[in-house]
Amino acid sequence: NAGVTQTPKFQVLKTGQSMTLQCAQDMNHEYMSWYRQDPGMGLRLIHYSVGAGITDQGEVPNGYNVSRSTTEDFPLRLLSAAPSQTSVYFCASSYSGEPAYEQYFGPGTRLTVT
Amino acid sequence: AQSVAQPEDQVNVAEGNPLTVKCTYSVSGNPYLFWYVQYPNRGLQFLLKYITGDNLVKGSYGFEAEFNKSQTSFHLKKPSALVSDSALYFCAVRVFVNDKIIFGKGTRLHILP
Repeated sequence: NAGVTQTPKFQVLKTGQSMTLQCAQDMNHEYMSWYRQDPGMGLRLIHYSVGAGITDQGEVPNGYNVSRSTTEDFPLRLLSAAPSQTSVYFCASSYSGEPAYEQYFGPGTRLTVT
Repeated sequence: AQSVAQPEDQVNVAEGNPLTVKCTYSVSGNPYLFWYVQYPNRGLQFLLKYITGDNLVKGSYGFEAEFNKSQTSFHLKKPSALVSDSALYFCAVRVFVNDKIIFGKGTRLHILP
């Protein structure tokens, strides 16, 4: 199993550009989530999904969109990048049943918005 | 509001000494509680969890955590620290009403040789 994969690993955007961060998992996990990690702020939940076709907002959803058309994929879209979105982004997945909610994390995407 | 607090930004411990990393939570209902570790330039790795049952749970790399309902705490512990335990540690909680999993701000653990 590849686990949770994220692409790209690094990205530089200009203010106002859009892009999609890709996340895929091959463990048939129902639950997937996106976090951003900033110094001194820990991990903050952006969006999450409890299954295909179902998404919900986390703690910091503004400026980000998600969709979950398949169990495997959970892309995160930045519609109009802002410098405040400079961060490291992590995707995670887990079962909803046992072993409940033990999340597997991807390697992260380091995004810089200039 | 649902929240997780890690009151210490950094904890320094001499190698061989016991270590404790603190976590308190505020959620409605029965919490699912987790500890994760992050090594430099890596993603997070699951260490252990509390769902129900015994208040002392054991996890990977010799770590354990004690759930205390009355103090709403879930402190991470290890009897004898190793230099290789130096990393960033995160406490997390599943919010029962909406299935969100939220994290604390993290505690950097330095084990001094």
